[in-house]
Amino acid sequence: EAQVTQNPRYLITVTGKKLTVTCSQNMNHEYMSWYRQDPGLGLRQIYYSMNVEVTDKGDVPEGYKVSRKEKRNFPLILESPSPNQTSLYFCASRLLPGELFFGEGSRLTVL
Amino acid sequence: GESVGLHLPTLSVQEGDNSIINCAYSNSASDYFIWYKQESGKGPQFIIDIRSNMDKRQGQRVTVLLNKTVKHLSLQIAATQPGDSAVYFCAENPRRVDMRFGAGTRLTVKP
Repeated sequence: EAQVTQNPRYLITVTGKKLTVTCSQNMNHEYMSWYRQDPGLGLRQIYYSMNVEVTDKGDVPEGYKVSRKEKRNFPLILESPSPNQTSLYFCASRLLPGELFFGEGSRLTVL
Repeated sequence: GESVGLHLPTLSVQEGDNSIINCAYSNSASDYFIWYKQESGKGPQFIIDIRSNMDKRQGQRVTVLLNKTVKHLSLQIAATQPGDSAVYFCAENPRRVDMRFGAGTRLTVKP
């Protein structure tokens, strides 16, 4: 089954404790992206990657890092999480210029 | 600036009626548009897309209309069912790799 898999789905952490949200896709898509979703603000892009070792900032990259060492994986790293990073995060992939396929989301709470 | 917006944040319809969800975009360079459906606790799912060389596209019970003159996009759902209750997002692809999303419209179907 074609899918985008994120882990963890739910996480509560404390300010400053580094965390990684993993994302994996099995569709051989070159393009992958991370979004955060906040009430009233819709989906905002954090980072995207056109291919292995090629990443670029989206609209809200501050406080996040990503890496793309393999085509299927695109982890999101929060080096020092802060409460304003409490949000619902989505990983997505696509075969350009087609639709985005989304994961099920990771709900992160930073205390 | 660039924006993708929706005319109404909420829409309530009677089961069996037709629903129309509207979206305005501001980037005239956008050449690809998508409607997504997001159910509670899930990631956005593709409904239908349309390219800028088309005015209308039909799927199963859904129709997307594109009016490039006024930069307006609409999603029509025929014979709305309880399972159609969700948040609907429009997204535009302004000839870049990223997609811009609106804030979403919450559709509620009353039995």
